[in-house]
Amino acid sequence: DGGITQSPKYLFRKEGQNVTLSCEQNLNHDAMYWYRQDPGQGLRLIYYSQIVNDFQKGDIAEGYSVSREKKESFPLTVTSAQKNPTAFYLCASTNGDYGYTFGSGTRLTVV
Amino acid sequence: SQQGEEDPQALSIQEGENATMNCSYKTSINNLQWYRQNSGRGLVHLILIRSNEREKHSGRLRVTLDTSKKSSSLLITASRAADTASYFCATVITDSWGKLQFGAGTQVVVTP
Repeated sequence: DGGITQSPKYLFRKEGQNVTLSCEQNLNHDAMYWYRQDPGQGLRLIYYSQIVNDFQKGDIAEGYSVSREKKESFPLTVTSAQKNPTAFYLCASTNGDYGYTFGSGTRLTVV
Repeated sequence: SQQGEEDPQALSIQEGENATMNCSYKTSINNLQWYRQNSGRGLVHLILIRSNEREKHSGRLRVTLDTSKKSSSLLITASRAADTASYFCATVITDSWGKLQFGAGTQVVVTP
């Protein structure tokens, strides 16, 4: 079955540490997105990529970085510069004027 | 600031009743989408309505769009306990490269 796989499901980060969240899709979608969700709130866009080797900052990109070396993969790195990284992170993809397909999310906690 | 704002923030109904939630947005859009999120899970796409459409149906779901008022509504008919979830509207703003802008969501609880 086609879909988006996010891993890990839970991730714990120590202060000052960089961590990378994985997002893989086998839907042959061109566009991929990373969103952050805080409790009781909607989703806020971190980064997005329309094609391989190209990506754009979203509304809250500071403290995050991404790469898009393959069409199927769009990993997100949460750097030590992100001062409040505890949140639920969601990856999504789409192939045009249709709905997005979302992964099941990664819950990141600072310890 | 968020593009979409849902109303109400929370809704509690009994099985069999209808649930209606509204979404308002600020700028010109290509389309508006509704998603469902069960607690701690990813979002599931429910329905997409384009800016030149006024109403759309999918099973027990009915979505309306009024571009003059910059608002949309989602109606769930004959609700079931399994409809308990958070519902989000999201807009694709014109010339935005397909980026979705989400509202804060409506939390719906359906009691048996």
